[in-house]
Amino acid sequence: EVQLLESGGDLVQPGGSLRLSCAVSGFTLTNYAMIMSWVRQAPGKGLEWVSGIGDATGSTYYTDSVMGRFTISRDTSKNTVYLQMNNLRAEDTAIYYCAKGQSAWDFHSWGQGTLVIVSS
Amino acid sequence: DIQMTQSPSSLSASVGDRVSISCRTSQSITTSLNWYQQKPGKAPKLLIYRASSLPSGVPSRFSGSGSGAAFTLTISNLQPEDFATYFCQQSYRTPITFGPGTRVDIK
Repeated sequence: EVQLLESGGDLVQPGGSLRLSCAVSGFTLTNYAMIMSWVRQAPGKGLEWVSGIGDATGSTYYTDSVMGRFTISRDTSKNTVYLQMNNLRAEDTAIYYCAKGQSAWDFHSWGQGTLVIVSS
Repeated sequence: DIQMTQSPSSLSASVGDRVSISCRTSQSITTSLNWYQQKPGKAPKLLIYRASSLPSGVPSRFSGSGSGAAFTLTISNLQPEDFATYFCQQSYRTPITFGPGTRVDIK
């Protein structure tokens, strides 16, 4: 059974940093054509794709608003995907979901989410 | 970026009704369109992928159609557990984008 478990969400001041983790089980992160993504949802708002990492070479992808501030990575030995978030802004406040793409960007499995609040 | 619109933004329906939600994209995305259901306090759940394919475990009352830039999610025989918010999402190219959502309420 595929399971995704996010952790690392917290209250952080503007300009601060946070690292989110997504521990996966039931599959391996090196599956060809599979991409792991982070998708966020601000309180009461819609869904926003943030970043993805995948395929055999670990190619990375970002939405423009986080480019240069967020870094996605993976540790295949720990079956974990990370999202390093630097220079956080109030508009980054959201629930961050980890999602597994069955083939690239079809998000067949989701974690329960972890809450990030950026506030002074 | 590929822009997504959904209509209506909300609707009220009764158990047993047939409901349709429209999703339009700012350019052709062939059939690279997914639909998700989200209930309050829960993660989204994939309902339809590649415009018309059902993942295992999704009831057959859910169906998807369309190609190019116009897509439809149809729920036939609406059930109590179907009252939720529905999002479309394009998987054609990055940045991946979602529609603003359609809330389905009980009439």
